[in-house]
Amino acid sequence: DAKTTQPPSMDCAEGRAANLPCNHSTISGNEYVYWYRQIHSQGPQYIIHGLKNNETNEMASLIITEDRKSSTLILPHATLRDTAVYYCIVRLNSGNTPLVFGKGTRLSVIA
Amino acid sequence: EAGVAQSPRYKIIEKRQSVAFWCNPISGHATLYWYQQILGQGPKLLIQFQNNGVVDDSQLPKDRFSAERLKGVDSTLKIQPAKLEDSAVYLCASNIAGGWSAQYFGPGTRLLVL
Repeated sequence: DAKTTQPPSMDCAEGRAANLPCNHSTISGNEYVYWYRQIHSQGPQYIIHGLKNNETNEMASLIITEDRKSSTLILPHATLRDTAVYYCIVRLNSGNTPLVFGKGTRLSVIA
Repeated sequence: EAGVAQSPRYKIIEKRQSVAFWCNPISGHATLYWYQQILGQGPKLLIQFQNNGVVDDSQLPKDRFSAERLKGVDSTLKIQPAKLEDSAVYLCASNIAGGWSAQYFGPGTRLLVL
């Protein structure tokens, strides 16, 4: 079973920041927080991951609370192409560990 | 860099028929996964390979599902006989073995069992 809790859906206006929350209260010390997204009719796509420090890449920023029990994925300037299902996953940082997906958050970016 | 390739993209069969899906991972990726995604749910792992060996097949319904990766590159997932509840998208993913590596997913095969 997934170890994370996410809201089922969110809306965001185009050009505004999209903030997607995730609760992972049972995360263990050696588990990382990963975010993937799945655009309609495509396979999931890796976005970002982190352990305890905030992370930023060309796609998004990841803010992890100090107690590591929750995190927020931030898309700084959402576009219509960011409309997708976003999955927050807790996972050991090993290339051989499969992903355990929940139902994710369906983000709709509105013009 | 070429991505994960899957074929066919779509398949419609009748229950009790057999079907096979093919996956070609990214070159050099030793670890390969098959996931099943039922409509409205997240993907669920079916089987994981490391080179040509099975690492985890605990969630594979072995009475009807089988998978192989004979030469440690391409993989085939088979269902025989198919049931109505097998209607889903079958996703193949791969990553570099060891250390940290993002999993790269193919576009999936959408199966409809009538």
